[in-house]
Amino acid sequence: DTGVSQNPRHKITKRGQNVTFRCDPISEHNRLYWYRQTLGQGPEFLTYFQNEAQLEKSRLLSDRFSAERPKGSFSTLEIQRTEQGDSAMYLCASSLLFAEAFFGQGTRLTVV
Amino acid sequence: RKEVEQDPGPFNVPEGATVAFNCTYSNSASQSFFWYRQDCRKEPKLLMSVYSSGNEDGRFTAQLNRASQYISLLIRDSKLSDSATYLCVVNQAGTALIFGKGTTLSVSS
Repeated sequence: DTGVSQNPRHKITKRGQNVTFRCDPISEHNRLYWYRQTLGQGPEFLTYFQNEAQLEKSRLLSDRFSAERPKGSFSTLEIQRTEQGDSAMYLCASSLLFAEAFFGQGTRLTVV
Repeated sequence: RKEVEQDPGPFNVPEGATVAFNCTYSNSASQSFFWYRQDCRKEPKLLMSVYSSGNEDGRFTAQLNRASQYISLLIRDSKLSDSATYLCVVNQAGTALIFGKGTTLSVSS
């Protein structure tokens, strides 16, 4: 499968725990995006990379969130000290510059 | 003002109807435009790119008006399977893809 891959697909964690999600983009894509989506809302931008450089991070994003793309290939999104409000679908997408983006199936996070 | 705004919906139409969705964007430097479709609890999937000259793909027609900063999607002869949320997406130089909140379409028999 040459599409965008996200792991895990589902994550249940206790409030206060740290979680890490992984995204493997389409191999030739230089842009990688992270979005968060809650029910009834469109995807909310979190951050994006062009190759290994993190070019933008949402102003709404708490310091508890951090993302890396160490070699310009896969990316990880970490949430520290999770809160119930972090429960959402976390979507990763990749693209070529200015081209359409392709999404992974997402990681559904539930904080209990 | 939000960067990308869409008709809130929901749109409830019978099979065979023609329905149009509108979207406005705030940044005149925007360069790429797309419509995505999202089914319930699934990831967004590209429906079509939107070009300045307008483009058509079967029953779907997309239009772009740069002067008015306006994008539209027209669906003709609606099918039950068209029921989904339609997301307007804008890409600006040096920034990420920005999504609208989506418009929900429900096609009934």
